[in-house]
Amino acid sequence: QVQLVESGGGVVQPGRSLTLSCVASGFSFSRYGMQWVRQPPGKGLEWVSLIWFDGSDRNYADSVKGRFTISRDNSKNTLYLQMNNLRVEDTAVYYCVRDMIAPNYGFDYWGQGALVTVSS
Amino acid sequence: EIVLTQSPATLSLSPGERATLSCRASQSVRGLLAWYQQRPGQAPRLLIYDASTRATGIPARFSGSGSGTDFTLTISSLEPEDFAIYYCHQRSNWPDTFGGGTKVEIK
Repeated sequence: QVQLVESGGGVVQPGRSLTLSCVASGFSFSRYGMQWVRQPPGKGLEWVSLIWFDGSDRNYADSVKGRFTISRDNSKNTLYLQMNNLRVEDTAVYYCVRDMIAPNYGFDYWGQGALVTVSS
Repeated sequence: EIVLTQSPATLSLSPGERATLSCRASQSVRGLLAWYQQRPGQAPRLLIYDASTRATGIPARFSGSGSGTDFTLTISSLEPEDFAIYYCHQRSNWPDTFGGGTKVEIK
């Protein structure tokens, strides 16, 4: 069965860095685009970043552009999110998400989430 | 960016009742709209994609309809496990955006 397992969350001071990892299993990771979606405590969902199946294209929400970098290692079935210059408003649960393959559009599998807390 | 407005914010119903949730887009998203269910302490789960197609394993009591700017998620008869928060999500225009959510609570 499809599984996405995030790790790397924790408490970090403003201005510091953190890297999240997401290990995928149960499907052909290299065939799927992947995304990160976050959810601040008690709030709704916010799209953060996407990467194409082969890593050839990436995109970011304006709120994280220039600070976050998405990457993937298809040989390790792993997705990453490097987060630099973290801000208090980046505090959220970060979900690793699988994108459906076109022509269908939706996020069909979600990880359990990794909590990132940015606080001094 | 496309804004998705969900209504009502909270829906108070009893098990067995019908739930009708609305999602309105600030401009046309064609049919590129999905619905997710989030239970407390859990990750969201895909219910409906492409506006009206049920995802794998989703019960038939869940249905989606609409196109353009107005979409509806209907739960025909609420089961105890359906009391949760529901989000709509558009993939038509970059960036992807989500609605603010509708909480379906037990009356």
